[in-house]
Amino acid sequence: AQKITQTQPGMFVQEKEAVTLDCTYDTSDQSYGLFWYKQPSSGEMIFLIYQGSYDEQNATEGRYSLNFQKARKSANLVISASQLGDSAMYFCAFFGPTGRRALTFGSGTRLQVQP
Amino acid sequence: GAGVSQSPSNKVTEKGKDVELRCDPISGHTALYWYRQSLGQGLEFLIYFQGNSAPDKSGLPSDRFSAERTGGSVSTLTIQRTQQEDSAVYLCASSYTGAEAFFGQGTRLTVV
Repeated sequence: AQKITQTQPGMFVQEKEAVTLDCTYDTSDQSYGLFWYKQPSSGEMIFLIYQGSYDEQNATEGRYSLNFQKARKSANLVISASQLGDSAMYFCAFFGPTGRRALTFGSGTRLQVQP
Repeated sequence: GAGVSQSPSNKVTEKGKDVELRCDPISGHTALYWYRQSLGQGLEFLIYFQGNSAPDKSGLPSDRFSAERTGGSVSTLTIQRTQQEDSAVYLCASSYTGAEAFFGQGTRLTVV
């Protein structure tokens, strides 16, 4: 079964600084997808970024980028130029063709951006 | 609206009562998921529907939990004889590809 690990329960970053949120995964699938979601205090789950296992380039979406290291099975989220509105829970999720056909989520990282 | 809609947004029920939670997925999305999120925790998979295939119920925590999806669209999650440990936010998501999921706002269930 796939396993997603987020080892940082909480992170602090200064406004305008960059921050990296860690995510590692364990799978024997060759083709799979990795996702990051943001969950602000309002509770909604907001899709941020997606990386396919065969994508040659690291995914980027505005201030979000994904540092994908396939051999190390890591998919870290990098947020550049942090803003106060980035304070939220961040979840890494895995989707693969075998086993459960649904996103498997990590335990999340709570990011707090300080002014 | 264009997004995933869940109702009610909040539900307070007495222990032992049955509750029904509703999810309206995005039109055209064939995959529908239910997750549960306890306070301060991650998302726990409950059940997955894909088109006309048999649902994946492997995440349902007990036989008090059941879900159905009528006409390939609206889904209802039913919890019978609710217990206090059922208190959580129940999140519904839908997907066109089966991978990227779009979430509703959730139903906050409180069992007293």
